[in-house]
Amino acid sequence: GNSVTQMEGPVTLSEEAFLTINCTYTATGYPSLFWYVQYPGEGLQLLLKATKADDKGSNKGFEATYRKETTSFHLEKGSVQVSDSAVYFCALSLGGGTSYGKLTFGQGTILTVHP
Amino acid sequence: GAGVSQTPSNKVTEKGKYVELRCDPISGHTALYWYRQSLGQGPEFLIYFQGTGAADDSGLPNDRFFAVRPEGSVSTLKIQRTERGDSAVYLCASSKAPTGELFFGEGSRLTVL
Repeated sequence: GNSVTQMEGPVTLSEEAFLTINCTYTATGYPSLFWYVQYPGEGLQLLLKATKADDKGSNKGFEATYRKETTSFHLEKGSVQVSDSAVYFCALSLGGGTSYGKLTFGQGTILTVHP
Repeated sequence: GAGVSQTPSNKVTEKGKYVELRCDPISGHTALYWYRQSLGQGPEFLIYFQGTGAADDSGLPNDRFFAVRPEGSVSTLKIQRTERGDSAVYLCASSKAPTGELFFGEGSRLTVL
């Protein structure tokens, strides 16, 4: 079956530190990959996505590259801010027609950034 | 409204009772999804509507769970004979088309005592 595995959390960093949150996946086909973020008191929202191998998704200083050879989609940011404190979810979709929004999520990684 | 609205935000019920959870999607969004999120886990897909019809209900755990979207806008998730294991946050999401960018509501937290 399809699955997503994220690095164990929680992750605690100081402001301006470098962030990596690891994500690997197992899929029967060629998935699209996503990072969703949930800020305190808000609903999940799309952070970035990549739809094919070697694509790089980027948004708000965050980046992730779709690596087919390692089945990974690690999230990185060069300098985190306190406002980046949130729960981050890696997800995949096998896409194609009506199943594109049927996502398989990882378990989430809690990020806390201290001033 | 500006975003996906879910009501109630919190629901506490007793084992065996019937529960309805409502989702009001973003205006104009034809695709609507229900997910369930247990504590410490990522959301799990339950059901997807395109318009009024359920295009994919493969994630519904059993026949106690049912969802409708009669006019292609508001959706209701219905749970019969609730069990303690149904306790979770139920998330609704909508999108303009089944594109993968989902807009989520804040969820309805269900607690079954």
